Order: sequence, then structure tokens, then C-alpha cells
Amino acid sequence: AQSVAQPEDQVNVAEGNPLTVKCTYSVSGNPYLFWYVQYPNRGLQFLLKYITGDNLVKGSYGFEAEFNKSQTSFHLKKPSALVSDSALYFCAVRENNYGQNFVFGPGTRLSVLP
Amino acid sequence: KAGVTQTPRYLIKTRGQQVTLSCSPISGHRSVSWYQQTPGQGLQFLFEYFSETQRNKGNFPGRFSGRQFSNSRSEMNVSTLELGDSALYLCASSLDSFNEQFFGPGTRLTVL
Repeated sequence: AQSVAQPEDQVNVAEGNPLTVKCTYSVSGNPYLFWYVQYPNRGLQFLLKYITGDNLVKGSYGFEAEFNKSQTSFHLKKPSALVSDSALYFCAVRENNYGQNFVFGPGTRLSVLP
Repeated sequence: KAGVTQTPRYLIKTRGQQVTLSCSPISGHRSVSWYQQTPGQGLQFLFEYFSETQRNKGNFPGRFSGRQFSNSRSEMNVSTLELGDSALYLCASSLDSFNEQFFGPGTRLTVL
């Protein structure tokens, strides 16, 4: 069975500092990994994905994520946080198998303090 | 390119009633998935449709059903509503099952 864990409910970071939002996953086969962001009263927006290839993936708004197969992790990072990055972040995994569906983590609320 | 649209945006129903939610995917997207989002349970997968066929179904009772039309538009239906069905229902479309999903704004259902 697939599963996704986001060990931190809340992450606080000062504006201008680097940020990391953690994600670990469990799948039987090869994972497709995604990050989404949800701003208040809005739907989820796609940030980036890992399918195959380079372990460091770059996405929208200056975000990047690093795929680590041995640690089954896909942490989201940004070198310099902005107040406008404050939102709810979801990690999602889908196994390379038509019999499986997307599984989302519980979400991590990021607060960037001015 | 227009995004994913969902109608209605808000619904208030009473227990025992049924409800139909609609989703129009991005043009060219053939995969449509539905999710239930609640504060306590997060995002729970309901079902996925691809070219009018249900490809996957989540762990929800049979009161939850859906369908997809030839133009990729999708509807989901919830019969015999319960208080616990109150949630934000999100529709997402993608080119194929393994591509990134694009989400609509959701339909907020309140069951009284």
C-alpha cells in the first residue's frame, strides 16, 4: 500500500531564511512524487514533480525538491522564504501502476514571519 | 487555457438528501479525479475516471458515485447525505493518470 508522511504539522521560518518542508513516502514500486500548495480559500496548485532522472527537481516560485531513494524522502526546499509563501503544502505520491491512485500527505502549514 | 471549473461552489443540504457536483476539466485532459478534503482527514481520494471509465475507486461507501462523459466532464453524486459528508470536494484533471493534476476551486458541501 502507498503512504505519505509529512512529519511536521507546522513549520515557521523567518523571511529571507531557507525553508524545508519534509516528506517521506512508501510505495511498492517506482514512485511519482509531487508537491502542491494550497492558499486560503483556493484549490491546490501544482509546484513540482519527480518522475525519473535528476534527483534535484526545480519547480514554480523558486521551490525545489530532492528525491532520496535510500531515505524514501522528497523534501521541499527554497533558499530564501517570502511572506507570500505562507500556505498549506501537500506532498503526494503515485506508484507507477494504473491500479493505484494519488495519495496525499496530511499537509504542512508553512508560516513565513516578516 | 481555462482552468478546472466546479459547480456549484457552495451547497447546503439536509440529511437524507442527495447531491450532484459537476466538474469541467481543462481542455484536452482525459483524467478526472475527485477528492474529499476535511480538516481531520485531509485529502481523501474518491475516484478517478479516464475516457469515461472508472480507473480507481477510494475507500468510500457506495453512496458516493461518479461518472464521466464523452467530453471528459465529470459528475459525482452523493445519496442519502450524512452529517459527516460535509466537506470540500475537489476535482482535479490531468492529461493522463501519472501527470500532475490541476485542481478546481472545490465545492463546499454543508449537510445540516
